[in-house]
Amino acid sequence: AQSVSQHNHHVILSEAASLELGCNYSYGGTVNLFWYVQYPGQHLQLLLKYFSGDPLVKGIKGFEAEFIKSKFSFNLRKPSVQWSDTAEYFCAVNVNNDMRFGAGTRLTVKP
Amino acid sequence: NAGVTQTPKFQVLKTGQSMTLQCAQDMNHEYMSWYRQDPGMGLRLIHYSVGAGITDQGEVPNGYNVSRSTTEDFPLRLLSAAPSQTSVYFCASSLYQGRGGYTFGSGTRLTVV
Repeated sequence: AQSVSQHNHHVILSEAASLELGCNYSYGGTVNLFWYVQYPGQHLQLLLKYFSGDPLVKGIKGFEAEFIKSKFSFNLRKPSVQWSDTAEYFCAVNVNNDMRFGAGTRLTVKP
Repeated sequence: NAGVTQTPKFQVLKTGQSMTLQCAQDMNHEYMSWYRQDPGMGLRLIHYSVGAGITDQGEVPNGYNVSRSTTEDFPLRLLSAAPSQTSVYFCASSLYQGRGGYTFGSGTRLTVV
């Protein structure tokens, strides 16, 4: 089965800093890729998704992600973070209805 | 539109007790799944269903049973609770198999003592 690695466990940034969270997956075939966000005490919400086509995907709240097939990566980016972006971020890979999540990256944005 | 509704929100069980976590969605989604979330481990798939009458095992199915008698409901049963099942459980649903973003319920925090 596929697996997902998120190498950054906890990232701390100041407001207006740029963000990049790493996500790598292991699966040689066609995959559907997702990023979810979980604000404190809440359930997961979809940020963006990639199925095919343009490898640069734009999501909600100014987030974007780039699919690099040769690197099996789907990194999440945001040019300028806000305090309200403090949350946990999960990368996920779906293969044939089996959605696997990474361990998550906790983002803390200092005002 | 309620989305995905999970009950209860909190539950404390004694070791060996059984219980059912309820999940219902009103979006006519064919695909439903159960995850458990543990610190540092992300979400792990327990069971999933691609439609009424069809279920399959995920990554960590042991100790859990599911059934899907209707499109709307997908209950998760703990047969004999163990402390290792202390976790937060999320139900999710999706319209499109494999391609749709999931809609998650608000979660059930379960403690087994």
